[in-house]
Amino acid sequence: SQQGEEDPQALSIQEGENATMNCSYKTSINNLQWYRQNSGRGLVHLILIRSNEREKHSGRLRVTLDTSKKSSSLLITASRAADTASYFCATVLRSNDYKLSFGAGTTVTVRA
Amino acid sequence: DTAVSQTPKYLVTQMGNDKSIKCEQNLGHDTMYWYKQDSKKFLKIMFSYNNKELIINETVPNRFSPKSPDKAHLNLHINSLELGDSAVYFCASSQLGHGYTFGSGTRLTVV
Repeated sequence: SQQGEEDPQALSIQEGENATMNCSYKTSINNLQWYRQNSGRGLVHLILIRSNEREKHSGRLRVTLDTSKKSSSLLITASRAADTASYFCATVLRSNDYKLSFGAGTTVTVRA
Repeated sequence: DTAVSQTPKYLVTQMGNDKSIKCEQNLGHDTMYWYKQDSKKFLKIMFSYNNKELIINETVPNRFSPKSPDKAHLNLHINSLELGDSAVYFCASSQLGHGYTFGSGTRLTVV
């Protein structure tokens, strides 16, 4: 079974609005990462948050991590049409540094 | 300069054939990976290599054989291709504890 589960599966918002997606996982992690995939392209690393961190920012992106609830969220502020993509959370477990396991992803559509 | 490059980008082949996908990274990373993305966009790790040594083989059929001649290259050879092998295959590299850099993918279609 997947380590990460994302919610919602799909999200449609107006340009300028914020988009929030959540990720839950099952076992203790070393770090959690978020990736973006545009249609027909490879994955692009967005943010890595370690298990001892609670929040990280990168430009218009904000990631939170709650290890007690085994969950993370990705917030995209002031969304743009170019943010239309699939977003994946992925985890590296404490038990295996060499394996990054992905969730099913959230498809975000930003309407102009 | 492309950081992680994989070739070919598209591969259409008949069932039963053998094919290879090549991957090279110029980032100096120690670890390289192969992932398979199915039609529902689910990404599953297949193999992980660290400094040319196999670290993870995620219950992949023996028909799939990775080869790492040096730490900058990780190729994937697939024997006796089956319809179910149709997917997008991604190569990636990383340093431990950091984010991964992915190639642009190889779309394999088995007919």
